[in-house]
Amino acid sequence: NAGVTQTPKFQVLKTGQSMTLQCAQDMNHEYMSWYRQDPGMGLRLIHYSVGAGITDQGEVPNGYNVSRSTTEDFPLRLLSAAPSQTSVYFCASSYLPPTGSGANVLTFGAGSRLTVL
Amino acid sequence: GESVGLHLPTLSVQEGDNSIINCAYSNSASDYFIWYKQESGKGPQFIIDIRSNMDKRQGQRVTVLLNKTVKHLSLQIAATQPGDSAVYFCAERTGRRALTFGSGTRLQVQP
Repeated sequence: NAGVTQTPKFQVLKTGQSMTLQCAQDMNHEYMSWYRQDPGMGLRLIHYSVGAGITDQGEVPNGYNVSRSTTEDFPLRLLSAAPSQTSVYFCASSYLPPTGSGANVLTFGAGSRLTVL
Repeated sequence: GESVGLHLPTLSVQEGDNSIINCAYSNSASDYFIWYKQESGKGPQFIIDIRSNMDKRQGQRVTVLLNKTVKHLSLQIAATQPGDSAVYFCAERTGRRALTFGSGTRLQVQP
């Protein structure tokens, strides 16, 4: 029972490089999302998806792309890394309850620390 | 592991005391509020949630209080233990989709 798996755990990039953070979940969750966590700022939503083929922007989407070709995977792509993207990135997933019912309780991965020099 | 944050408000309590962590939320249309706990080097973990039509909900050793008049949420932890040391986040949900998280409070439990 792996839950939400993120890779890599650590990555160092140079400004302008591109890379993909991988996220996979084995719980058949419809909802998947990416957050970044910076000191003193909590978790900010980058992009999210409510199902395969459907993605939407969160609070801080600029500089990131996502796709959702399968239910299990939700990769986050940095197109041209910048020092401002140095952060810890968390992927999270959940079932998507019907409107008006229970909250979608997120299951988080362990995080990926990205440093952009 | 992943560090959580270096400049968070910190609540320091003695082991066995009760802890109260506060959170102000922003959107009066939010229908759910959730508390998460994040230990060092780990992702956040769900603690308890509350619907906007409730003002109190209790779990095991935890109670969440919601005051919609002043948009305030609190998490009370009874008989705080060293294992409760972590960063605690409140989150609000508007509609069926994304959660918006607060900036977090670090709880330090002194033995």
